[in-house]
Amino acid sequence: DAGVTQSPTHLIKTRGQQVTLRCSPKSGHDTVSWYQQALGQGPQFIFQYYEEEERQRGNFPDRFSGHQFPNYSSELNVNALLLGDSALYLCASSLDILAGAAEETQYFGPGTRLLVL
Amino acid sequence: AQSVSQHNHHVILSEAASLELGCNYSYGGTVNLFWYVQYPGQHLQLLLKYFSGDPLVKGIKGFEAEFIKSKFSFNLRKPSVQWSDTAEYFCAVSLYNQGGKLIFGQGTELSVKP
Repeated sequence: DAGVTQSPTHLIKTRGQQVTLRCSPKSGHDTVSWYQQALGQGPQFIFQYYEEEERQRGNFPDRFSGHQFPNYSSELNVNALLLGDSALYLCASSLDILAGAAEETQYFGPGTRLLVL
Repeated sequence: AQSVSQHNHHVILSEAASLELGCNYSYGGTVNLFWYVQYPGQHLQLLLKYFSGDPLVKGIKGFEAEFIKSKFSFNLRKPSVQWSDTAEYFCAVSLYNQGGKLIFGQGTELSVKP
């Protein structure tokens, strides 16, 4: 049973550039959430996708956007990169309770480490 | 705004010592509670979770946590730590039936000396 996968594992960009990160959820999961984990901090919620729609959003600017595809995989896009966007970006998947899951347990991927120079 | 507070940033223990990591949250409604662990070089893994029922929950690798609603706490415990428990531990909260957004604490780094 494949877990959550993310690509790429590492990425280096310069200020002002744009980046796209990718996530494939755990088999059978239909909901994808994205988190940003700065060095020495806990993950912070960016947004969540369900049925190809953004369902919830954290306190992140519009430079952060996403997409979910019909196969439930997801992308995170960040425009106009800033130095402060350097972080580990985590994807988590879960099965939505509306789809019959008894619980909402999120399973995390290994993350993409983004360095902005 | 809801928040999660972990009392200790860095804990250093010798093998066989007992462990207790504190976690408090601020939210008056019904919550789901989680502890995740991040071993060096590995991704976040679920250690244990509480949704309802018995407030004492047991997780993997001998860990347990107790939900005390009156104290808004969900402390993690292990009677005897091993060197392999060296990792970063995160407490997280989600609001019941509200889509699963996790609010994390800042993490506690545990170092176990052999």
